[in-house]
Amino acid sequence: AQRVTQPEKLLSVFKGAPVELKCNYSYSGSPELFWYVQYSRQRLQLLLRHISRESIKGFTADLNKGETSFHLKKPFAQEEDSAMYYCALAVPRAGNTPLVFGKGTRLSVIA
Amino acid sequence: EAGVTQFPSHSVIEKGQTVTLRCDPISGHDNLYWYRRVMGKEIKFLLHFVKESKQDESGMPNNRFLAERTGGTYSTLKVQPAELEDSGVYFCASSQQGNNSPLHFGNGTRLTVT
Repeated sequence: AQRVTQPEKLLSVFKGAPVELKCNYSYSGSPELFWYVQYSRQRLQLLLRHISRESIKGFTADLNKGETSFHLKKPFAQEEDSAMYYCALAVPRAGNTPLVFGKGTRLSVIA
Repeated sequence: EAGVTQFPSHSVIEKGQTVTLRCDPISGHDNLYWYRRVMGKEIKFLLHFVKESKQDESGMPNNRFLAERTGGTYSTLKVQPAELEDSGVYFCASSQQGNNSPLHFGNGTRLTVT
């Protein structure tokens, strides 16, 4: 069965510092990977997906198949980045497959 | 566009009672999903509708949970009878057709069973 692990429940960084939210997955094939974010009092929303290979709000994430990781990185954290971040995996096949989520990491950016 | 809406936002019921949660997806989204987050655990998949048909209900915990999507528009999730372990936040999400199209989530319904 597929599994997503986010080892850090809470991550606190100072404003301007680099941030890395860790995500590891277990799946024997080539998954599709996503990062979802939930800001305070807002709904869960897609931040980025690995197939897009784009930077959103300064965040990037690279799929490392050797390490089965999809860590989320940003070189300079901002206060508005404080939120709950969820890594998620989908098995690629025709149509839509259910997302498997990690437990989430709460990022707190301190001024 | 109007996003995914869920009703109610909060519900507190006693063990043994019945609760019905409602989800209105984004208009035109054929895919509708229910997920649940129990405190301290992952957001877990419950089931997936494509239009009015249940595509995948492998995540439904047991037969106390019944989901419907009559007419392929809004969906309801009924819990009957509710148990203490059903407490959590129930999320609905919808997406367009297409391989693993991004999900648009509702605000969730926080269910507390006492």
